[in-house]
Amino acid sequence: NAGVMQNPRHLVRRRGQEARLRCSPVKGHSHVYWYRQLPEEGLKFMVYLQKENIIDESGMPKERFSAEFPKEGPSILRIQQVVRGDSAAYFCASSHLDGPSGYTFGSGTRLTVV
Amino acid sequence: AQKITQTQPGMFVQEKEAVTLDCTYDTSDPSYGLFWYKQPSSGEMIFLIYQGSYDQQNATEGRYSLNFQKARKSANLVISASQLGDSAMYFCAMRGGMNSGGSNYKLTFGKGTLLTVNP
Repeated sequence: NAGVMQNPRHLVRRRGQEARLRCSPVKGHSHVYWYRQLPEEGLKFMVYLQKENIIDESGMPKERFSAEFPKEGPSILRIQQVVRGDSAAYFCASSHLDGPSGYTFGSGTRLTVV
Repeated sequence: AQKITQTQPGMFVQEKEAVTLDCTYDTSDPSYGLFWYKQPSSGEMIFLIYQGSYDQQNATEGRYSLNFQKARKSANLVISASQLGDSAMYFCAMRGGMNSGGSNYKLTFGKGTLLTVNP
């Protein structure tokens, strides 16, 4: 009964490189959410996806960030041309129905930009 | 807009004693939900307890209980009989209802309280 799987757990990128973060939701869950946790802060909503659709990306920075949840395979959060300020923990959550009552969080990916 | 305030950056408690972690919230939604999560040093987010705004009774889950005072807009977490393994960051979070522009799937988090349990 696997939970939400995120990989990698830790990712180091040089400034200007691309970061790709993967999230495999709980089996049978069709709703995926990404949150970002900056140092000393709580989590902040980034994007909500269903299979092949972006439902709400109001928390995503306008540039360099994109997310997808294809019909097959994991959800991907992609950050192009990373900068030091992108260093954070990125959490994925999934649910069977929309709404956080049924959220299951992954263990997060800690991105460090050097 | 919704807001969660956790005024205690850090708390200390002796093992086996009870501790209360404060959380106040602000929302114009009549319907909302309140959550507490635990984040140990390993980093994962662990769901602890949930309280709906229309729930008549305070939520309880084992050693965790939520002291919900709707008029004061507070949702404090009470941990009874603290254990060393309870040392962690604790986050209060809220989701809105259908009046939140339909975005009742989003969680708004506070900044957290770092709890240290002393032996």
